Amino acid sequence: DTAVSQTPKYLVTQMGNDKSIKCEQNLGHDTMYWYKQDSKKFLKIMFSYNNKELIINETVPNRFSPKSPDKAHLNLHINSLELGDSAVYFCASSRTPGQTLNTEAFFGQGTRLTVV
Amino acid sequence: QKEVEQNSGPLSVPEGAIASLNCTYSDRGSQSFFWYRQYSGKSPELIMSIYSNGDKEDGRFTAQLNKASQYVSLLIRDSQPSDSATYLCVVNDNDMRFGAGTRLTVKP
Repeated sequence: DTAVSQTPKYLVTQMGNDKSIKCEQNLGHDTMYWYKQDSKKFLKIMFSYNNKELIINETVPNRFSPKSPDKAHLNLHINSLELGDSAVYFCASSRTPGQTLNTEAFFGQGTRLTVV
Repeated sequence: QKEVEQNSGPLSVPEGAIASLNCTYSDRGSQSFFWYRQYSGKSPELIMSIYSNGDKEDGRFTAQLNKASQYVSLLIRDSQPSDSATYLCVVNDNDMRFGAGTRLTVKP
């Protein structure tokens, strides 16, 4: 019944490893997002997809690669993890901005990534 | 670069008082505005949305929007300790941009 679910909830890994975070939404939304929340608690948008198409790609290292196999899924793959990648990563979904005003975003529970 | 600015706080009010949270945004064409609340260790949750100028009330919460001044605010009346959280201003046009958040503490 969870609207936006992401896995895993916690991820501890060593520097240099490659890891993936998965996200799925069952709300029928066309737009999905990845956010990074750092230790200062600022939520910064990383990527936005609409119907599997990349819409927003903020200044994010190339080591981060989103993949959207269908509009209900948006996964995040991170290569060569660095200490500075440690943060909480949130997935979210919403109706398509620009098509409606009601573009409330629904968030997953977050993935706390710790790179050691 | 679209910007969403909030007073970072922290803001501390006594129980029962009115808490006032403010936000300004840079894109004059913005149409959708939201206030989210985030408890420590939890994901953000929507508490108010507003799309037109004026006030919108929902229980103890009132959102105010002034597009001419590019200003949106949130008032929390009769503040309760359970309102202690970080409040995030969000402007959504073709993206969902968050302000830095204002940490509110309501003291019993």
